[in-house]
Amino acid sequence: KNEVEQSPQNLTAQEGEFITINCSYSVGISALHWLQQHPGGGIVSLFMLSSGKKKHGRLIATINIQEKHSSLHITASHPRDSAVYICAVSGDTDKLIFGTGTRLQVFP
Amino acid sequence: NAGVTQTPKFRILKIGQSMTLQCTQDMNHNYMYWYRQDPGMGLKLIYYSVGAGITDKGEVPNGYNVSRSTTEDFPLRLELAAPSQTSVYFCASSYLSGGSGIQYFGAGTRLSVL
Repeated sequence: KNEVEQSPQNLTAQEGEFITINCSYSVGISALHWLQQHPGGGIVSLFMLSSGKKKHGRLIATINIQEKHSSLHITASHPRDSAVYICAVSGDTDKLIFGTGTRLQVFP
Repeated sequence: NAGVTQTPKFRILKIGQSMTLQCTQDMNHNYMYWYRQDPGMGLKLIYYSVGAGITDKGEVPNGYNVSRSTTEDFPLRLELAAPSQTSVYFCASSYLSGGSGIQYFGAGTRLSVL
């Protein structure tokens, strides 16, 4: 079993829909990261969080340490949100452990 | 605002050839990393460095070597390329160690070994 599991693996949505991507992990962590990989391949960091909730524009990330679970929400989705969203956690080795990603496609 | 720069973007190698993937960053970050990304798999750490002159193995180091002679540069060397090294390679850097800081990624190098 992978230490970081994401669901769903693939997600399609119509423009304007509310999107939720889930991440569950099985190790103790110091922080959880959400990253976005564009269709061209580039990877950018969206959030780093260790508790509670963070918001940036239409993106919201939450984490429940007791449940070992995090969610990434996208409000009012847009075709430009189409990308692969990657969850990663840092455990006791202080190295990132990555999930396999969720591929999101938003259609107009 | 260059950030992390990787070269080349694409490369095709024959089995047994060698090459160096270049990575340079202009953010004065001490921590640098090399990852590989295979289809359907999460990013895997190949090697990392906590500062000039200091490198260490990650999860999948076999077949690779690194050096860190300056803060800015962290090249990855492939000796005797094998088809199993066909992958997309990403270099990243961060101000704080591994999971404690945001990592900044290069654009990636797509490598095929035939």
